[in-house]
Amino acid sequence: AQSVSQHNHHVILSEAASLELGCNYSYGGTVNLFWYVQYPGQHLQLLLKYFSGDPLVKGIKGFEAEFIKSKFSFNLRKPSVQWSDTAEYFCAVNPINFGNEKLTFGTGTRLTIIP
Amino acid sequence: NAGVMQNPRHLVRRRGQEARLRCSPMKGHSHVYWYRQLPEEGLKFMVYLQKENIIDESGMPKERFSAEFPKEGPSILRIQQVVRGDSAAYFCASSPPSLGSNTEAFFGQGTRLTVV
Repeated sequence: AQSVSQHNHHVILSEAASLELGCNYSYGGTVNLFWYVQYPGQHLQLLLKYFSGDPLVKGIKGFEAEFIKSKFSFNLRKPSVQWSDTAEYFCAVNPINFGNEKLTFGTGTRLTIIP
Repeated sequence: NAGVMQNPRHLVRRRGQEARLRCSPMKGHSHVYWYRQLPEEGLKFMVYLQKENIIDESGMPKERFSAEFPKEGPSILRIQQVVRGDSAAYFCASSPPSLGSNTEAFFGQGTRLTVV
């Protein structure tokens, strides 16, 4: 069974700082990778996704993530964070396994941006 | 095209009562997933359903919890004899017929269940 690890549980940054949130997964086969964001009191929204091709993917709101297959990692980055980026961020993976394609989530990273 | 609709948004139940959570997937989506988010924790997979079939229920507690996705109507997550530990946000997601073929799951706004 696949699993996802997000080692940073809570990250606190000042505005304009650079951000990198770690995500590692364990699964031997081919996977799709996702980052979701959950703003306070709201549902999950997709930030970006990787299916194939260029391992550096760009998402909404200036976020990007790099898939490094050899490291089983899909870290999320943003060069300069804003106060409005305060939210919880979830990494997720689903295996390319037709018939059972559940999304497995990490435990999330709470990001707090200090003005 | 309406998004994934969950109702109710908030549900309060006394211990021992039943809770029914509904999820209407996006139009054209035939796969539904239920996740639970406990306070201060991430999302935990509960069950994955297609129309009239349970594909994976490995995350469902063995007792009191059940889910269905009938041919007509919304998917229902049912919790019998609720206990305080069931208090959580329950999120539903839906996807087109094959998540593996470069699609994504869309989430509803969740149902916050409070057991008093």
